[in-house]
Amino acid sequence: EDQVTQSPEALRLQEGESSSLNCSYTVSGLRGLFWYRQDPGKGPEFLFTLYSAGEEKEKERLKATLTKKESFLHITAPKPEDSATYLCAVVSEASGSRLTFGEGTQLTVNP
Amino acid sequence: DTAVSQTPKYLVTQMGNDKSIKCEQNLGHDTMYWYKQDSKKFLKIMFSYNNKELIINETVPNRFSPKSPDKAHLNLHINSLELGDSAVYFCASRGFSYEQYFGPGTRLTVT
Repeated sequence: EDQVTQSPEALRLQEGESSSLNCSYTVSGLRGLFWYRQDPGKGPEFLFTLYSAGEEKEKERLKATLTKKESFLHITAPKPEDSATYLCAVVSEASGSRLTFGEGTQLTVNP
Repeated sequence: DTAVSQTPKYLVTQMGNDKSIKCEQNLGHDTMYWYKQDSKKFLKIMFSYNNKELIINETVPNRFSPKSPDKAHLNLHINSLELGDSAVYFCASRGFSYEQYFGPGTRLTVT
């Protein structure tokens, strides 16, 4: 059974203070690791897909990286509008197209 | 030009009632899903349909019945609502590389 663990559960940063969120996973045959952003009262918004160890994707202040056991979402010089819950999910060969989500990291960026 | 839409946004009802949530996607995807997000924000898959055929049916009470009239629509009907059914329900559709696109959610409150 696929497992995803995210840490920390919550993170408070000052505007401009860079940091990283962690997503550890255990799967049998990774097909893809996904990062989502969820704002209060809204559905998860797709950010990135990573397929293999060593892969990196960037979007504005966000950069996602992948190893064989974990993924990091690096946030560089965050702004208050980056405040949200960030969710990590995996799809494996065993799970078909089923996404298994972690419990998320709630990020707050103070001005 | 909304990609995945759900109605209603909010649903407040009494125990024992029957209710439906509708979902539509205009992305041309073949596979759609229903997820439940509990009070701790954990997303758990309930059902998946591929081109009107049920392919994933998690351990969900049979009071919940999905229906897909065509591949762009996936509705969720819930019979005999219980207090524990209160949650946010998300519809999603799957893109071509396993990523999923979520609707805005339906907050169901059972009193």
